[in-house]
Amino acid sequence: EAGVTQFPSHSVIEKGQTVTLRCDPISGHDNLYWYRRVMGKEIKFLLHFVKESKQDESGMPNNRFLAERTGGTYSTLKVQPAELEDSGVYFCASSRGFEKLFFGSGTQLSVL
Amino acid sequence: AQTVTQSQPEMSVQEAETVTLSCTYDTSESDYYLFWYKQPPSRQMILVIRQEAYKQQNATENRFSVNFQKAAKSFSLKISDSQLGDAAMYFCAYRSSYSMEYGNKLVFGAGTILRVKS
Repeated sequence: EAGVTQFPSHSVIEKGQTVTLRCDPISGHDNLYWYRRVMGKEIKFLLHFVKESKQDESGMPNNRFLAERTGGTYSTLKVQPAELEDSGVYFCASSRGFEKLFFGSGTQLSVL
Repeated sequence: AQTVTQSQPEMSVQEAETVTLSCTYDTSESDYYLFWYKQPPSRQMILVIRQEAYKQQNATENRFSVNFQKAAKSFSLKISDSQLGDAAMYFCAYRSSYSMEYGNKLVFGAGTILRVKS
C-alpha cells in the first residue's frame, strides 16, 4: 500500500508570500494529523482531522495558518502570509483508528 | 500538559556496541503510551518501539529494547549491536490513552542525533 505522501519536499519562499503544503494520507485512513518541527526543537502537533472535520486544532499557531481536508481525502496547509518563524519541517501523518501512526517524509519550508 | 525531555542532543556509538538514549516525561495520567521514532536522513519517521504504561514488561523489538521506569517517568531506548543503518535522529514521544479525546496526538521530545562509527 502507498504511504503518506507530502509535497513539495522542499519550499523556499520570501517573507510575506503564501505557501500551500499538501498531504495525501494512506487510502482509508480517516485520521490525518499535521505536525511541525522548528529547527532544533520538538516536533509539535498542529491539528487533527477526522475525515473532513477538524477534531482538534489546538496546536495551530495563529490565523495565518489554514488547514483543509475537502472530501476527507487529501489535506492542504496554507500559510499566508509566511513569516520567518514559520520555517521548519511540516509533517503529515495518518491512521485508520488510534493505533499505528504513519508519517510522511515532511515538507522542508524555508522562509527568507 | 504533558512534556517529554531528551537531554542528550547527540550521542555516538561504535559499530557493534550498545548505546542507550534517554527520555523522561511528565504527566499526571496513569495510563498512556510511549514511543521511540527514528528519523533517518530521508526524513521518514519510522516507529521503532512502543510501550503501554499499564504493562510492566519492557518492550523489545529485535536489537531495540526499552527500560521503562514508570515511577521515575523514564523511558530509555537501548540499541544493541549498533549498525551503520541505525544512524538517525531519534525522537521519544508520549500519547494519552484517551483515544477518543486525543486521538493520535503525540507529544515529542527534541530528539537525539545518533552517530554510528565504523
